[in-house]
Amino acid sequence: NAGVTQTPKFQVLKTGQSMTLQCAQDMNHEYMSWYRQDPGMGLRLIHYSVGAGITDQGEVPNGYNVSRSTTEDFPLRLLSAAPSQTSVYFCASSPGGLGELFFGEGSRLTVL
Amino acid sequence: ELKVEQNPLFLSMQEGKNYTIYCNYSTTSDRLYWYRQDPGKSLESLFVLLSNGAVKQEGRLMASLDTKARLSTLHITAAVHDLSATYFCAVDPFQGAQKLVFGQGTRLTINP
Repeated sequence: NAGVTQTPKFQVLKTGQSMTLQCAQDMNHEYMSWYRQDPGMGLRLIHYSVGAGITDQGEVPNGYNVSRSTTEDFPLRLLSAAPSQTSVYFCASSPGGLGELFFGEGSRLTVL
Repeated sequence: ELKVEQNPLFLSMQEGKNYTIYCNYSTTSDRLYWYRQDPGKSLESLFVLLSNGAVKQEGRLMASLDTKARLSTLHITAAVHDLSATYFCAVDPFQGAQKLVFGQGTRLTINP
């Protein structure tokens, strides 16, 4: 049982480049979300989805795009990377309701 | 603005001692989560507290929730080195929307 799988685990970008962080879950969860973790700030919600075809913004959505074409996948796109987007990104999924979030292993992104 | 504040942010303690981490939040939430994170790793769910007065225990960790005071505590009993980690609390102010708001984290170091 793989749970929540994120790729890549590490990535270095130059300012202005674009890239996609991949997230897949095999638990048939309806809810999926992306968080970023920065030192001293906990985790902050970027985007989330309550099902295929439905997405919404979180606390810090600027510079990021998402789509949810299937229940399993929830990719996060950086449109034009900036140094302020250097962070560790976590994807999470949940069955919703009273359920907890299950997190992926994280993707460490550095933007030069 | 919704705030989730943990206290203390850093805690160094000796094995065998007891201590409590506090989590205050500024808006109504009927559920609260505690997570553990080891360095460079993902977040592991510890407890989900779903009602006022809820208390859950797992080994040397016990969590409680007072929704009226908007306060949760994570109590560590007779600490051991293996409990060294960063602990996060999080609330779900949107009543099941799974849009968690995290505290800053408490980095716990337990010395032999």
